[in-house]
Amino acid sequence: DQQVKQNSPSLSVQEGRISILNCDYTNSMFDYFLWYKKYPAEGPTFLISISSIKDKNEDGRFTVFLNKSAKHLSLHIVPSQPGDSAVYFCAASVGGYGNKLVFGAGTILRVKS
Amino acid sequence: DVKVTQSSRYLVKRTGEKVFLECVQDMDHENMFWYRQDPGLGLRLIYFSYDVKMKEKGDIPEGYSVSREKKERFSLILESASTNQTSMYLCASSHQGSGANVLTFGAGSRLTVL
Repeated sequence: DQQVKQNSPSLSVQEGRISILNCDYTNSMFDYFLWYKKYPAEGPTFLISISSIKDKNEDGRFTVFLNKSAKHLSLHIVPSQPGDSAVYFCAASVGGYGNKLVFGAGTILRVKS
Repeated sequence: DVKVTQSSRYLVKRTGEKVFLECVQDMDHENMFWYRQDPGLGLRLIYFSYDVKMKEKGDIPEGYSVSREKKERFSLILESASTNQTSMYLCASSHQGSGANVLTFGAGSRLTVL
């Protein structure tokens, strides 16, 4: 029973264009959502988060959008750069600090130069 | 900068062996976690701990145990390794604070069980 789903295993985008990574969830109790990026042979690193009281959070080239009614969130990367090529994981939790994160399966992003 | 250090990057063990995976964090974080990462399945939580000597089962605890005798150290133990425990194991820690639970991960330990 996957509570957090990333239905696109991979995505290929041209450098300079927008990358959109999608994530769906089933548990309506989730109220914090995070995106992590992972390079090969390294641990995941935190990218950006959003709480359920917001519908958008922006940090430089990265923006996360949350649609609670659709139980859907997306990560937009504009403009995409070759260094953004990595695996992106969506994660969610019920409650904030200290509570366990439930991760999606990940999406491999490849940015072509 | 928070550092989470996993002592072994690559291990090869035989079926039935006892395996210890060690994790140390240096930022006085209260929370520590063990995940395993498998292709197509993402990161799945094995065990976590909110304090010294405390442990909670995650989503896939079967075949694993943990130990947290000191705040900075969280060990994952495979009592009798099996081939289906071949995986990448990721340790993480976080601070007990408000807002999103931002985990800091170690580089991972890739375990192969033959």
